[in-house]
Parts: sequence; structure tokens; C-alpha cells
Amino acid sequence: DSGVTQTPKHLITATGQRVTLRCSPRSGDLSVYWYQQSLDQGLQFLIQYYNGEERAKGNILERFSAQQFPDLHSELNLSSLELGDSALYFCASSWTENTEAFFGQGTRLTVV
Amino acid sequence: EDKVVQSPLSLVVHEGDTVTLNCSYEVTNFRSLLWYKQEKKAPTFLFMLTSSGIEKKSGRLSSILDKKELFSILNITATQTGDSAIYLCAVGNNNAGNMLTFGGGTRLMVKP
Repeated sequence: DSGVTQTPKHLITATGQRVTLRCSPRSGDLSVYWYQQSLDQGLQFLIQYYNGEERAKGNILERFSAQQFPDLHSELNLSSLELGDSALYFCASSWTENTEAFFGQGTRLTVV
Repeated sequence: EDKVVQSPLSLVVHEGDTVTLNCSYEVTNFRSLLWYKQEKKAPTFLFMLTSSGIEKKSGRLSSILDKKELFSILNITATQTGDSAIYLCAVGNNNAGNMLTFGGGTRLMVKP
């Protein structure tokens, strides 16, 4: 167990809907990262927050947004969902930007 | 654009064999190179390497980085069936928070 908690574990939703994925980082970690893993794309970086501020952005779609709250938990919002958004979404956390990142168990999103 | 290439794509060995997994990378401003093991879901952290030529070791696993030739290897000695997994290599870029770019992984299967 990495100490990073993601909820829910599984999510099935219809196209066009909006969902929110939640992540609680390891105790003491200030940085949170979101990654998407699909079969054909591997692990793709979406976005990083450090102590509430956005630090880096990858190929995150405009339909996706995220935030990190004062208690350091983070949420990833996915809207106007398409079939192609079906994937495993991982959250990871690290103490600083120079330390290793630990991954949560992921949320498996299925869009039908 | 940062790039990570892992080889081989997949490998089948027998228990007790030694394996070497390869990772080559291109990154604009190198921060670190990390190895993860992914079994069912979450990637689990193995090593973080920042300096050339210094071997990191944990039990039967070891890894080394060559920043001149831009590659790293992960060695597993006396393999066990529990080593069966996908091994992921990632590089961090100093220009982009702590964004990690992942390779496609090496799928290792260890047969009894």
C-alpha cells in the first residue's frame, strides 16, 4: 500500500456525462500528479499540483480540469465524456519535486 | 519532446535466470530516472537515479544510470515467479515541475 488513496475504484458512466475522481496523497506529501493509462497510450502525464498551485501541465484535454485543495487532496474533473476517455486514471504524490512519486491504485473509468 | 524507449518489449524466462531490462531516453533538462514495477494496477516504486555510474540495489534488483549515453538498465538476478510484471522506466524533466515521461514498459514473465 503506497499510502495514496483514490476513490472511486471503478466508475461506469455514459457519454456526455461528467465525473469527479478524488485523490488523497500520502501524509506529508505536497505534490500531486494525475496520469492516464490506456491500452494504446501507456502512462500519460496530465497535470501536477504542488501545495495548491498548478506546476506542470501535460496533454490534458480542455474538457478535463483538476485542483488541489488546502488539505492537499486533489480532484480530477472529466466532462463531456467520450468513449475514448475510458482508461485507468492514476494519482501519485511526492514530498517534494525532487523525490520519488508514489502511485495510488487508480480509478478505472468506463464510458459507455 | 521528451522520449523514453524500453527494450525488450517482452521477455519470458525461467525461475533462477538473470534478466537485464533496458531504458534509453531523450530529455531536454534531466532531473531523474525512475523505475517502477506494475503488476495488476498501481505502479510501485523501485529506484530513482540521478547520478551516473552509481548502482542502486535492493535485494535481487539493481539499476544503474549512464547520463552520457542516455540509458539505464534494471537487472534482476535469480528471478522468481513473483517478478512477473510490467517494468516501467520514466524520466523527470527539470523544466516541467516533476512531470514524468514514461516508456512503454517491458513485460516480464517468469515461468516456474
